[in-house]
Amino acid sequence: QVQLVESGGGVVQPGRSLRLSCAASGFSISSYGMHWVRQAPGKGLEWVAIISYDGGDKHYADSVKGRFTISRDNSQNTLYLQMNSLRAEDTAVYYCAKSPGPSNSSGYYYSLFDVWGQGTLVSVSS
Amino acid sequence: DIQLTQSPSFLSASVGDRVIITCRASQGISTYLAWYQQKPGKAPKLLIYAASTLQSGVPSRFSGSGSGTEFTLTISSLHPEDFATYYCQQLNSYPPFPFGPGTKVDIK
Repeated sequence: QVQLVESGGGVVQPGRSLRLSCAASGFSISSYGMHWVRQAPGKGLEWVAIISYDGGDKHYADSVKGRFTISRDNSQNTLYLQMNSLRAEDTAVYYCAKSPGPSNSSGYYYSLFDVWGQGTLVSVSS
Repeated sequence: DIQLTQSPSFLSASVGDRVIITCRASQGISTYLAWYQQKPGKAPKLLIYAASTLQSGVPSRFSGSGSGTEFTLTISSLHPEDFATYYCQQLNSYPPFPFGPGTKVDIK
């Protein structure tokens, strides 16, 4: 069945880096935009980043711009999030999510999240 | 950027109750709105998009309506599995993609 599985979370000190992975199965990510969404403990959902089907278009939330990088390897059916200069406020469960659209040419479908992973916890603490 | 608010933040209801959750946008967003359900410790689940289109597999007791700045999610008859937190989200072809703060539906 269609599934997304995140990995790479853990405890990290402020200022350090971490890379998250999201492995897809049951479908090919090469036709779809992919997102990262996070949720701080006890808080609501925050969109983090999106990458188009071919990796040619990337966008970030202001809160992570310049520190986080989204990327993808369609041959490995895997999405990544490189997180640098981590801060305490980056502590959250990070979800990867599939868009039903490939890029912003698909209109509002690009911003939908129709398949989600189970999430991986990132804790930034000294 | 457009801001989304939800009301109420918390509601207590019984099985069989009709539940209505409201989402308001700071500017008109036509029908570009989605609703998600999240249960504790689980990932969110897409319920409705384009304000009123039911995602495949979602029970018909869920419905959405509205346009412009005011939207509603209605659960016609609350089932035990519907106790969860519900989020609205603005849809767009270009980021950002903001969520509302959430409405927690708890058992009375």
